[in-house]
Order: sequence, then C-alpha cells, then structure tokens
Amino acid sequence: AQSVTQLGSHVSVSEGALVLLRCNYSSSVPPYLFWYVQYPNQGLQLLLKYTTGATLVKGINGFEAEFKKSETSFHLTKPSAHMSDAAEYFCAVRYSGSARQLTFGSGTQLTVLP
Amino acid sequence: ETGVTQTPRHLVMGMTNKKSLKCEQHLGHNAMYWYKQSAKKPLELMFVYSLEERVENNSVPSRFSPECPNSSHLFLHLHTLQPEDSALYLCASSREGVRAGGTGELFFGEGSRLTVL
Repeated sequence: AQSVTQLGSHVSVSEGALVLLRCNYSSSVPPYLFWYVQYPNQGLQLLLKYTTGATLVKGINGFEAEFKKSETSFHLTKPSAHMSDAAEYFCAVRYSGSARQLTFGSGTQLTVLP
Repeated sequence: ETGVTQTPRHLVMGMTNKKSLKCEQHLGHNAMYWYKQSAKKPLELMFVYSLEERVENNSVPSRFSPECPNSSHLFLHLHTLQPEDSALYLCASSREGVRAGGTGELFFGEGSRLTVL
C-alpha cells in the first residue's frame, strides 16, 4: 500500500538551531509532495510543494525541502528555528491513480526551546 | 471573504442532539472534503464531493451525513453522536476534481472543534 512516513512524532530544537523534519514516501513514480503546518486550534496551511522542476523547493517562513528521488524523501528544513515555528507539521503526497487524493503522514510536533 | 470558511468554530452537543457543520469556499474550486482530526491519530478523510460526485470512506458511521448543495457549500449533519466523535473537523477544497489531473493541493478551513458530552 502506498504510504507516507514521518520519522519522529515529536522533535525539539533550540531557538536558532537547524530544523530537520523527515518525510519518506513509497512509490517508484515521483508523486506530488507537500508540507503543511498546523498551529493550535487552526486548520492546515501550505508551507511548500513540489510538483515538477527544481528539486529544492522554498516555502514560506524560511522553510525549504528537497525532493530526492533516489531516497524517496522530501525532508523539511529551516536553518534557524524561531519560537513561532512551534507547530505540527504534516507531509502529504499525491500519488497517480484513479482516486488522486492526498495521503497524509501522521504529523511531527515541533517544539522550539528558548 | 476569501479562502475556506467553517462555522461554527466550536460546538458542544449532547449525544441526542442534531447539529450541522457548515463549510463555504470562495476559491471557485471543484472539490470539497471533510476530514476528522482526533488527538494522537492521523488525519482521516471522511467524505469528498467532486463535481457533484460523492466519494466516501466506508468506515464513517451513518450518524455523519454530508450534503453538498453546490460547488461552494458543504455541510456535515450530525445526529446521535458518541463521545469518541469529539474531534476537530476540517473542511478543505481543491481546484481539480478528484479524478482529474493537477496537483491535488488542498486548501483548508480553520476547523470546527466538536465536543460530544
């Protein structure tokens, strides 16, 4: 079955440190890839997406992600964490097929320590 | 207004009540979705309406009943709910229909927090 795996349900970093949130997908055919962020009691907001072209994608709030086909990965990074980055982050994938809905990972809660 | 709007933002109901959640999208999109988000669980797709076709998750109990009168409005009718139905219910829309091409990018509302007593 096609799936999306986010390694680490909780990640803690210090303010100013590198943020790395991991996402792996299961498909031999490159899918469309997304990262969403969810702040407490809010809906999901798109951070960035990969469709075609350049494999390094820049998003809002200083985040970026790199599509690596050989590793079937789409990890999210930010060079320097800010307190306002504390939120839950979801990786999502759209695979080709008859029912082309997004498949979401289980989410990673990011805590930023002062 | 722009984007996807959900009302009410918070709802408390007893197990015998009947209530409805409303979603409206102002983006001209062709598909609308209901997701359930419970604590410690992955996002669960409940229903999809795409170009007037309904696609549903067969595991959703019949006490949840969707209605999509047009491409801009989506309702989730609730009756005789259980405490385990307490969750954040998220509405989303996408430009393309479910079986069309495109990226499938979803645009979410702020959610309706439901508490069943």
